[in-house]
Amino acid sequence: EAQVTQNPRYLITVTGKKLTVTCSQNMNHEYMSWYRQDPGLGLRQIYYSMNVEVTDKGDVPEGYKVSRKEKRNFPLILESPSPNQTSLYFCASSNRVYGETQYFGPGTRLLVL
Amino acid sequence: GIQVEQSPPDLILQEGANSTLRCNFSDSVNNLQWFHQNPWGQLINLFYIPSGTKQNGRLSATTVATERYSLLYISSSQTTDSGVYFCAMGYSNYQLIWGAGTKLIIKP
Repeated sequence: EAQVTQNPRYLITVTGKKLTVTCSQNMNHEYMSWYRQDPGLGLRQIYYSMNVEVTDKGDVPEGYKVSRKEKRNFPLILESPSPNQTSLYFCASSNRVYGETQYFGPGTRLLVL
Repeated sequence: GIQVEQSPPDLILQEGANSTLRCNFSDSVNNLQWFHQNPWGQLINLFYIPSGTKQNGRLSATTVATERYSLLYISSSQTTDSGVYFCAMGYSNYQLIWGAGTKLIIKP
């Protein structure tokens, strides 16, 4: 079954405690992306990756890091989380950005105290 | 910067009604997509429609690139159509700019 998995699904943490949200896809997709969703703002892109070892900033990259060492995995790293990073996070993958179905993970709801 | 605006922000309809959701964008569109987020948060692609019209069952979409808008039509609404509908516009080669969404509630 084609899918994008994210872990954890829910996370409560405290300010400054490093965390990683994992994302994995089983479709051999080249393109992967992280979004955050906040009420009234839709989705905003954090980082994206065009292929292994190729990543670039989206619209709201501050406070986040990513890596793409393997094609299937694209973890999102918060080195020093702050309360303004409390949000719902989605990982997505596809073979191309446009003209092809993007598959989304189930989302990770993060609360930073 | 590029702006993507959706209207209406909220829409409540009875089952069986038709609806039209609108997406306006501030720049020339290269790639326009529609997405649906169900009440449990799951996101799925509906249409990739940089121009013209496409149909998929009870849903159809039209993009008029020269006038910078796209419309999503839902006919004979069902309760399973409830959720938030987003449009997103391509920016550069690898980015999408998303609208704030239209929240649709279909009452039985």
